[in-house]
Amino acid sequence: GAVVSQHPSWVICKSGTSVKIECRSLDFQATTMFWYRQFPKQSLMLMATSNEGSKATYEQGVEKDKFLINHASLTLSTLTVTSAHPEDSSFYICSAQNPGEITDTQYFGPGTRLTVL
Amino acid sequence: DQQVKQNSPSLSVQEGRISILNCDYTNSMFDYFLWYKKYPAEGPTFLISISSIKDKNEDGRFTVFLNKSAKHLSLHIVPSQPGDSAVYFCAASEGGAQKLVFGQGTRLTINP
Repeated sequence: GAVVSQHPSWVICKSGTSVKIECRSLDFQATTMFWYRQFPKQSLMLMATSNEGSKATYEQGVEKDKFLINHASLTLSTLTVTSAHPEDSSFYICSAQNPGEITDTQYFGPGTRLTVL
Repeated sequence: DQQVKQNSPSLSVQEGRISILNCDYTNSMFDYFLWYKKYPAEGPTFLISISSIKDKNEDGRFTVFLNKSAKHLSLHIVPSQPGDSAVYFCAASEGGAQKLVFGQGTRLTINP
């Protein structure tokens, strides 16, 4: 197995402000991390793939200038929601693969609940 | 275009009985499938996976079956326990789990 943490677990912010969410792999080094978003009663939707030392790959429809991703080290990726608006309120979850495992399973963090007022 | 579908939004099973959760997919290129369990306000927890070279994988009370010709997989939980009550997501990927596509989830409730 593998442990992935996220911080903060929840955040409330005013419209127009920016919020940074951290994702850490605690007991392994992850060259690739993933950011998902889940709206109420919906499935998890992949937003972007975060690669250590290079630019993130964004899914269609996800604004790269609004959702800034930085993967500066092998254990940390950050997602910054810039100029947040109420429609950005959602549950943001990161995941990572443990390259030391034979399988390609992704391990998820506990998620961050973002509420934009 | 929902490539992975879980057509039952909810399922209720009596404790001790078998729970069967179903998942269908449309992309024939998917070759790796996973099941995750999720509690409210938490991230998904990995349960079990199966690659397309197999048709069955077992881990304790959990068994996943894959029917490639029907593009269908199922998760069997036996015996079901109250702690199994959660939302279960199936997910699929092609060429390794670099990009997971999730189903909508099925809420499983185990009744005492």
